[in-house]
Formats: sequence, C-alpha cells, structure tokens
Amino acid sequence: AQSVAQPEDQVNVAEGNPLTVKCTYSVSGNPYLFWYVQYPNRGLQFLLKYITGDNLVKGSYGFEAEFNKSQTSFHLKKPSALVSDSALYFCAVLNPGGGADGLTFGKGTHLIIQP
Amino acid sequence: DGGITQSPKYLFRKEGQNVTLSCEQNLNHDAMYWYRQDPGQGLRLIYYSQIVNDFQKGDIAEGYSVSREKKESFPLTVTSAQKNPTAFYLCASRYRDTATNEKLFFGSGTQLSVL
Repeated sequence: AQSVAQPEDQVNVAEGNPLTVKCTYSVSGNPYLFWYVQYPNRGLQFLLKYITGDNLVKGSYGFEAEFNKSQTSFHLKKPSALVSDSALYFCAVLNPGGGADGLTFGKGTHLIIQP
Repeated sequence: DGGITQSPKYLFRKEGQNVTLSCEQNLNHDAMYWYRQDPGQGLRLIYYSQIVNDFQKGDIAEGYSVSREKKESFPLTVTSAQKNPTAFYLCASRYRDTATNEKLFFGSGTQLSVL
C-alpha cells in the first residue's frame, strides 16, 4: 500500500526567509508526487507535480519541490516566504501501476509565515 | 476551483437523517472522487467513480452511498449509519490526457455538522 508522511504538523517561518515543508513517501514502483495547498474553508489547489524527468520541479506561486528517490522524499520549498503563503499544505502520491485509484494524501502541514 | 461546484457550503444533519451533498463538474472529466477531511488526518477517500454508472468504495465507505447517473454529477449521501459525519467533504475530478499528465481538481467543499 502507498503512504505519505508529513512529519511536521506546523512550520513557522519569518517573511522573506526560505521555507521547506517536508514530505516522504512509500510506494512500490515509480511514484507520481503532488503538492496541494488549501486556504481556510476552501478546496485544494494544485501547486506542482513530479512525474518523471528533472528532479527539481517548479510550480505555482514561486514554489518548487525536489524529488529525491534515494531518500523517498519530495520536500516543498520556496526561496522567500510571503505572509500570503500561510495555508495548509498537502503532499500526495499516486502509484500509476497500483490497484487503488485516487491520490493518497499526507496529513497536511500548517505553514505560518510571520510578518 | 477548477469548474467543480459543491453545494451546499454548510449542511446540518439531524439524528437519524440522511443528507445528500451535491458535486457537479463541467470539465468533462471521467473520474470523480469524494474525500473526507478531518483535522490532523488529511484527506481520506470515501468513494470514486471512473465512468458513468460505475463507482468503487474507497478507504472509508461505510455509512456513505453515491450514484453516477451522469458524467457531470457525483452526489454523496451521508446515511444515518454514519455515526460520526461531522467533517469537511471535498469532491474532485481527475484530468488525464497522457500517462504522465494528470492531476485532480477540487471543489470548494461542504462542511457537514450534526445538530
């Protein structure tokens, strides 16, 4: 079975500093990896994905993520945080060769950017 | 939120009552999903449908039912058998045009509470 771990419930970063939100995964085969962001009382918005190719993936709002196969990680990063980046972030994995359909999500990480 | 409409935004259920959450999409996507979101638990898959007139149970289907009579619509009924229905419910549809290009689009969610 596939699984996703987001080890931090909350990450606090000062505005202007770099941010990292951690994600590790477990899946047999080559994973498809995703990051989504959720603002209060809203649905999830797609940020970026890794399917194949370059390990550094660039997405929306200046976010990027680095796929590391040896460490089974897909950490979300941004060089300079904005207060408006404060939200709930979900990492998700899909095993295209697996039997189950749909994405498996991590528990989410609250990102708080302090002015 | 990507052409997916969920209604109502807020819903209250009385003891022993069945309630139905609406999900409509105009994206022409074949696959649709229902997720339940509880604080600190991420998203859990309730039901999914890959094509009209077909649907499959997800990880937490007990106490829920769905139908898929039209491509555009995937309503979720929370039955009286669901003893802990209070949660935020998210509907999604899946875009896939090649084996390496796919993502989920989410609705804005329905908050269900028990009176």
